[in-house]
Amino acid sequence: SQQGEEDPQALSIQEGENATMNCSYKTSINNLQWYRQNSGRGLVHLILIRSNEREKHSGRLRVTLDTSKKSSSLLITASRAADTASYFCATAVTGANNLFFGTGTRLTVIP
Amino acid sequence: ETGVTQSPTHLIKTRGQQVTLRCSSQSGHNTVSWYQQALGQGPQFIFQYYREEENGRGNFPPRFSGLQFPNYSSELNVNALELDDSALYLCASSSQHFSTDTQYFGPGTRLTVL
Repeated sequence: SQQGEEDPQALSIQEGENATMNCSYKTSINNLQWYRQNSGRGLVHLILIRSNEREKHSGRLRVTLDTSKKSSSLLITASRAADTASYFCATAVTGANNLFFGTGTRLTVIP
Repeated sequence: ETGVTQSPTHLIKTRGQQVTLRCSSQSGHNTVSWYQQALGQGPQFIFQYYREEENGRGNFPPRFSGLQFPNYSSELNVNALELDDSALYLCASSSQHFSTDTQYFGPGTRLTVL
């Protein structure tokens, strides 16, 4: 399988805490992306990190990429109840023309 | 919110029937991709269209087919529906030739096959 795998499958934290979720993949990639999905609706693009980048920030989001370990992490700082959603990593595998999505991490932020 | 729209929002069909789902891409985008997302799973790539030509396909049988129109809107057609086709169908558009950069998703069509 070329899809990534997120870890943990589910995460529950208190509002204000940080949330970290991880993605591992098996093949060479051109970029890795993170998406958020609220309750079975459409996916929203959060951040894209290219294979030659190691870290990227966007607001309260911080993404790291370690191509030697074939892994990425998404950190959401100072979480809010509105961050409750499923988070997916998607890999642009080298030589492929589409994205491969993982099975997601379900994040619950308790007010 | 992205500028990608999908219709209908929900659909109920019976096994063996055919269904057509529609997607309007974001303005300026000429690539449309379709995904199937089963409950509790991540989206699975079905196929993509660039300037009215299919230029990539995932591991889905031929009864899944599509079209892209000159205005870059798109249709997904599924023939001989099976129970396992019940899922959320998502379309996504982008301005790139292939769907490997940022994808802009629509809200999805929830298909239930009875």
